[in-house]
Amino acid sequence: SQKIEQNSEALNIQEGKTATLTCNYTNYSPAYLQWYRQDPGRGPVFLLLIRENEKEKRKERLKVTFDTTLKQSLFHITASQPADSATYLCALPWGARDDMRFGAGTRLTVKP
Amino acid sequence: DAGITQSPRHKVTETGTPVTLRCHQTENHRYMYWYRQDPGHGLRLIHYSYGVKDTDKGEVSDGYSVSRSKTEDFLLTLESATSSQTSVYFCAIGGSSYNSPLHFGNGTRLTVT
Repeated sequence: SQKIEQNSEALNIQEGKTATLTCNYTNYSPAYLQWYRQDPGRGPVFLLLIRENEKEKRKERLKVTFDTTLKQSLFHITASQPADSATYLCALPWGARDDMRFGAGTRLTVKP
Repeated sequence: DAGITQSPRHKVTETGTPVTLRCHQTENHRYMYWYRQDPGHGLRLIHYSYGVKDTDKGEVSDGYSVSRSKTEDFLLTLESATSSQTSVYFCAIGGSSYNSPLHFGNGTRLTVT
């Protein structure tokens, strides 16, 4: 069965460092992959999408990579700030209508 | 917040009672979704709709039903609530292509006692 795994439940880093979050998947061949941010008490908010033919995508301090051979996406936040503290979710399309399936998320804490 | 309103925001109910959650959108989007979020499981799709009166099951549909009689409203019903349905429920719109990421409401926290 399809499975989406995010490397750890929680990641703590120091302000200014680069945070790297991992999303691994099995039994999928997604045409694209999405990353979302979720703050406590709120719904997830879309951040970035990367297609299978794109190796890397950037948006400001965010960078996403997509390795379809390894079945893995990496999400990087450079020069991290305490305001980046949140849970980050990866999502893949599944089925005939591309309904999105989510990983369990990684809770990132950036300490000043 | 992309014009999505969920109601109620919080609800406490007893086992065996029926519960209906409402999602209202002002974006006229064709696709709407109900997810539940639990610690350790992340977001799991319950049901979704791809048009008025057109719905389909997601990963965890047992014990839930949905209805969509108008484009703007998508209702989730628990016919007889159980403690295992205690969760945070999120409605989303969008999707069905890479050009259309999901936009979520702020959730309904449901507690079944």
